Amino acid sequence: GAVVSQHPSWVICKSGTSVKIECRSLDFQATTMFWYRQFPKQSLMLMATSNEGSKATYEQGVEKDKFLINHASLTLSTLTVTSAHPEDSSFYICSGGGPSTDTQYFGPGTRLTVL
Amino acid sequence: GQNIDQPTEMTATEGAIVQINCTYQTSGFNGLFWYQQHAGEAPTFLSYNVLDGLEEKGRFSSFLSRSKGYSYLLLKELQMKDSASYLCAVRDITNAGKSTFGDGTTLTVKP
Repeated sequence: GAVVSQHPSWVICKSGTSVKIECRSLDFQATTMFWYRQFPKQSLMLMATSNEGSKATYEQGVEKDKFLINHASLTLSTLTVTSAHPEDSSFYICSGGGPSTDTQYFGPGTRLTVL
Repeated sequence: GQNIDQPTEMTATEGAIVQINCTYQTSGFNGLFWYQQHAGEAPTFLSYNVLDGLEEKGRFSSFLSRSKGYSYLLLKELQMKDSASYLCAVRDITNAGKSTFGDGTTLTVKP
């Protein structure tokens, strides 16, 4: 199956700093990438959908100025959590879908802890 | 919008069969997915149904009835490693093709 990587796999940062998470599709071109957030014992919550070369579409309640998403190429999307706060601590997961795929392929996730 | 319901928890015995149900309501159904997620890890794809009927893939099978808004995931010959959360997700053509996830069913397999 298709492979999606994420970097870093975990990160600890101080409150007020920014953190960038990279999501790469390794063996397919992801025309669409989705960013999810998952709190402990809860399901995945979609944050935003990004299409290569265009602005991301954010879900209701997600601050676009706080969670900056860039999808500059068909194999790379980045999520930057700006001015991180402890309540942003969560498991962030990206997934990619291509024009010929019926499903999304998930990255391994990034565990963010904000102190 | 979409409303997806699945049981919160299930317990089964090693070697047995378990069925995890999922019901949904959507205005523009365009496929149902099942994912497996182990604690602390990202989901992995199990199955995809867009037409009515049963899709079998090894020990796992998934069934869909679009008229009833119902699906189930059937796990046979349960193994301890099958202990995980199982997520039902529905894709909606009227919602930019995005998938909405249910809250997941935590399956515990006991010896």
